[in-house]
Amino acid sequence: QLQLQESGPGLVKPSETLSLTCSVSGGSISSSTYYWGWIRQPPGKGLEWIGSIYYSGNIYYNPSLKSRITISVDNSKNQFSLKLSSVTAADTAIYYCARDTSGYYSFEHWGQGTLVTVSS
Amino acid sequence: QTVVTQEPSLSVSPGGTVTLTCGLSSGSVSTSYYPSWYQQTPGQAPRTLIYNTNTRSSGVPDRFSGSILGNTAALTITGAQADDESDYYCLVYLGSGIWVFGGGTKLTVL
Repeated sequence: QLQLQESGPGLVKPSETLSLTCSVSGGSISSSTYYWGWIRQPPGKGLEWIGSIYYSGNIYYNPSLKSRITISVDNSKNQFSLKLSSVTAADTAIYYCARDTSGYYSFEHWGQGTLVTVSS
Repeated sequence: QTVVTQEPSLSVSPGGTVTLTCGLSSGSVSTSYYPSWYQQTPGQAPRTLIYNTNTRSSGVPDRFSGSILGNTAALTITGAQADDESDYYCLVYLGSGIWVFGGGTKLTVL
């Protein structure tokens, strides 16, 4: 059974870089035609797509965040990562990683999410 | 920038039917946008209900159905139950590697 687990610091200072990792078990990141994505949810607000990486290595970013985001994959560790630079309080959110439903551009499997607070 | 629109809130009586919609600020939602629907209860990760417009995800009861209604995607709950009280989000794929969530609908069952 596919499982995704986010990990990373729960507290980041303003202007610094937020770094999160999604560890995948029960399936290989590189072996099938899936998108792997990051989604966030500020407290009390809605979901926002951050970006996705395709198994082939193509990467897609939310245009509104593009200048600050880097998504990468480590096939050897079966993980993919998110870096968000120059964070502000507005980046405080629960961050989810997810895998899509192959060929249908939706997110089928979700991690439990991790809360990242931006504060000095 | 394309905005995906949803009703901020809706209510339904137990056993009743309710339809949530998902539209675009410019244009119509069609199957080409691969609309999907997610249910989220407080403190939980989203749960996938519907993908590819009308395909139920594994384990989702058949009282949840997806469709295209006019120029919007729609999620219909038939025979609503108390535990259907949740936030519901739609997601559309705009193409060229861009996904957008709607703002969500808070559904009350009363």
